Amino acid sequence: QVQLQESGPGLVKPSETLSLTCTVSGGSIGSYYWSWIRQPPGKALEWIGYIHYSGTINYNPSLRSRVTISLDMSKNQFSLKLNSVTAADTAVYYCARVGSANDLDPWGQGTLVTVSS
Amino acid sequence: DVVMTQSPLSLPVTLGQPASISCRSSQSLVYSDGNTYLNWFQQRPGQSPRRLICKVSNRDSGVPDRFSGSGSGTDFTLKISRVEAEDVGVYYCMQGTHWPYTFGQGTKLEIQ
Repeated sequence: QVQLQESGPGLVKPSETLSLTCTVSGGSIGSYYWSWIRQPPGKALEWIGYIHYSGTINYNPSLRSRVTISLDMSKNQFSLKLNSVTAADTAVYYCARVGSANDLDPWGQGTLVTVSS
Repeated sequence: DVVMTQSPLSLPVTLGQPASISCRSSQSLVYSDGNTYLNWFQQRPGQSPRRLICKVSNRDSGVPDRFSGSGSGTDFTLKISRVEAEDVGVYYCMQGTHWPYTFGQGTKLEIQ
């Protein structure tokens, strides 16, 4: 079955760029939408955005000015970049596949990114 | 953004007893195609969220039939008919009708 795995630095300095990659195994990254979600400590889950191999991308308006999601078909990966980070961007970041009901399944295991100097 | 409000936020339950979680949205979740994109997720301690139910009441394969979802418009409910120890965790509702899609705050179910 399809599995997702996030990777990237666990510590990012304020004002720098957070970069994460999600590697998809057990299936092709084509034909589906793929998403990034985050969960700050003690707070609710938040959709960051989603991407389709056709080029369709949608970002949460609250992050649109700082976020870029991209996809690499050759590597079966998709990526997240969030620039000008602050402590408020400290969160567990998840990647997930988007289902036909705009639901999320499966999810990656999540990776904690801390923004601190 | 559509605000999803769950209640209660903490739910102590005795093993074998039923449990119910309410989720209310600030706008109707009926999409222009007639579907209602309200989904439920379970997050067990130390694990990623797992989809339980999509489109209000469609249970995922492998999800025990003691879990059921219901509701319409802006008012939705997740019910567990008889709580088991493996049900401990946080439950989230999520709307996939209006972008940006949004989650409830989560309901923490524990065994009392």
